[in-house]
Amino acid sequence: GQQLNQSPQSMFIQEGEDVSMNCTSSSIFNTWLWYKQDPGEGPVLLIALYKAGELTSNGRLTAQFGITRKDSFLNISASIPSDVGIYFCAGRRGAQKLVFGQGTRLTINP
Amino acid sequence: DGGITQSPKYLFRKEGQNVTLSCEQNLNHDAMYWYRQDPGQGLRLIYYSQIVNDFQKGDIAEGYSVSREKKESFPLTVTSAQKNPTAFYLCASSISADEKLFFGSGTQLSVL
Repeated sequence: GQQLNQSPQSMFIQEGEDVSMNCTSSSIFNTWLWYKQDPGEGPVLLIALYKAGELTSNGRLTAQFGITRKDSFLNISASIPSDVGIYFCAGRRGAQKLVFGQGTRLTINP
Repeated sequence: DGGITQSPKYLFRKEGQNVTLSCEQNLNHDAMYWYRQDPGQGLRLIYYSQIVNDFQKGDIAEGYSVSREKKESFPLTVTSAQKNPTAFYLCASSISADEKLFFGSGTQLSVL
């Protein structure tokens, strides 16, 4: 089946630093979604991308749909303690089921 | 408030017992999904339903069963055939099968 490689698997940063993570696929996708999951809770949708090259922001978060349609990137600027959690990418090709990455666990040192 | 409600938050299963996890949504979404999440892992699809009275197996359906008798409800039964049921179970819904998913707050299932 389709695979999504999400990296890095974990990040340890200082408060105030910028964060970058990405997701790559062996297949072309036409939808990319980014979610954040807090411990013991369900994932919450952060950003949805539907067009190659699309760049979308949500506050301090910015995500991009790669022009090859096989990757997507999420950036967080000026990290704060509440950014801690697990970030998941998810991609879909046409009417196929959504495929999730393995997640990036973000830890912030105050 | 519209949303997806999962219950209970914590559930314990004895050996040989079937347990049912509840998922209710009042978003008027057609599609509903069940995912399993193991510690440090991503989400794996168990079952999904695109419309009432219809559902399909996901990637790890063995040992699980579902029903979709009402649009709002998509309960998941973890049967005794599922030998490793301990996991965090997430229910999700979407307006249609090709739209973004919204998740419930999850149910943690553990084996006694």
